[in-house]
Amino acid sequence: DAKTTQPTSMDCAEGRAANLPCNHSTISGNEYVYWYRQIHSQGPQYIIHGLKNNETNEMASLIITEDRKSSTLILPHATLRDTAVYYCIVSNNFNKFYFGSGTKLNVKP
Amino acid sequence: SQTIHQWPATLVQPVGSPLSLECTVEGTSNPNLYWYRQAAGRGLQLLFYSVGIGQISSEVPQNLSASRPQDRQFILSSKKLLLSDSGFYLCAGLESAGGRETQYFGPGTRLLVL
Repeated sequence: DAKTTQPTSMDCAEGRAANLPCNHSTISGNEYVYWYRQIHSQGPQYIIHGLKNNETNEMASLIITEDRKSSTLILPHATLRDTAVYYCIVSNNFNKFYFGSGTKLNVKP
Repeated sequence: SQTIHQWPATLVQPVGSPLSLECTVEGTSNPNLYWYRQAAGRGLQLLFYSVGIGQISSEVPQNLSASRPQDRQFILSSKKLLLSDSGFYLCAGLESAGGRETQYFGPGTRLLVL
């Protein structure tokens, strides 16, 4: 699986958009980009995933660059409850699904 | 959609004691199931996965084993716990929706080995 690189932590003001970057420069053509988050002491929660087109759901938007070497997860209006560790994963095989250290997002009032 | 159940929520065990953590799934049949471990402040490490009854694949050599006695039951075990087995154990299932597959996690079991 392709490795991903994410910042260790980020801050965001409540009500503002949170933009979380992820680099995956070695991604292969059939690998999807997945985003999960983990609120303290809970199991990870699926957010969104995509292959090459931008995606949007009720939780977030996923922007994937044209060369697919990086992506950005956007939480349009961050709330305090969005404080969590956000994981970017690249895979085409759930039996080889590797979570890195993720980005700790701190949403501040 | 499927729901993943895990118990117990927390567990404190002495070194050298046995371990049995249970994961059950409802809302789907014959799911792929996964066991992950998360050390404090770290990411998740895939331990085992199962594509069906009696079928177990191990990702890393360790002091643990897994079994799948029933379609919707996945068990993580150890004969003798080590201090290094402490961590947050998560069970996950694979779900297909709209032609896409995603992984859903249970609430986890926090294990402390003393």
